[in-house]
Amino acid sequence: AQSVSQHNHHVILSEAASLELGCNYSYGGTVNLFWYVQYPGQHLQLLLKYFSGDPLVKGIKGFEAEFIKSKFSFNLRKPSVQWSDTAEYFCAVNDANAGKSTFGDGTTLTVKP
Amino acid sequence: DTGVSQDPRHKITKRGQNVTFRCDPISEHNRLYWYRQTLGQGPEFLTYFQNEAQLEKSRLLSDRFSAERPKGSFSTLEIQRTEQGDSAMYLCASRILAGEGDTQYFGPGTRLTVL
Repeated sequence: AQSVSQHNHHVILSEAASLELGCNYSYGGTVNLFWYVQYPGQHLQLLLKYFSGDPLVKGIKGFEAEFIKSKFSFNLRKPSVQWSDTAEYFCAVNDANAGKSTFGDGTTLTVKP
Repeated sequence: DTGVSQDPRHKITKRGQNVTFRCDPISEHNRLYWYRQTLGQGPEFLTYFQNEAQLEKSRLLSDRFSAERPKGSFSTLEIQRTEQGDSAMYLCASRILAGEGDTQYFGPGTRLTVL
């Protein structure tokens, strides 16, 4: 069975600080990895995804994530956060066949202006 | 097409009542997924369809839950004899099998409150 662990439940940063959110997964087969963001009052939106190739993937709004296969990790990073990045962030892994997702419990990011 | 839509957005019901939710996926998306999200947790997979065929159901989906996608387009999720533990956000997602790979697009969800 797949599982996803997000290390930080709530992160508070000041604007311009750097961000790294941890994500580790457990799965024995081929996986596709995702980060989603949920802004207050809005639905889940895709930030970035990894299927294959370059393990460093770039997403929208300056976010990037690095897939480290040996560590079963897919950490999300952003060099300089903005107040508008305040949201909940979910890491997810997909079964490459069925396409169903297993999500972590999310990290709430609060950016202070 | 502007994305996945769900109806209603909010539903308040009394324990023991039946409720039905609807999901309209993005046009031509073959696969449709239902998830449930409770406070403080990530979405949990419930079931998914490829066209009109229901291919997998989670053990979370008790006998009181049933989902259909009769014509391979919209889908409904029905909960019979609701319980307070059913209170959650019910999310629908869709994807196309080719072209964009594994990317699911999520709807806004239906928030169910069982009193």
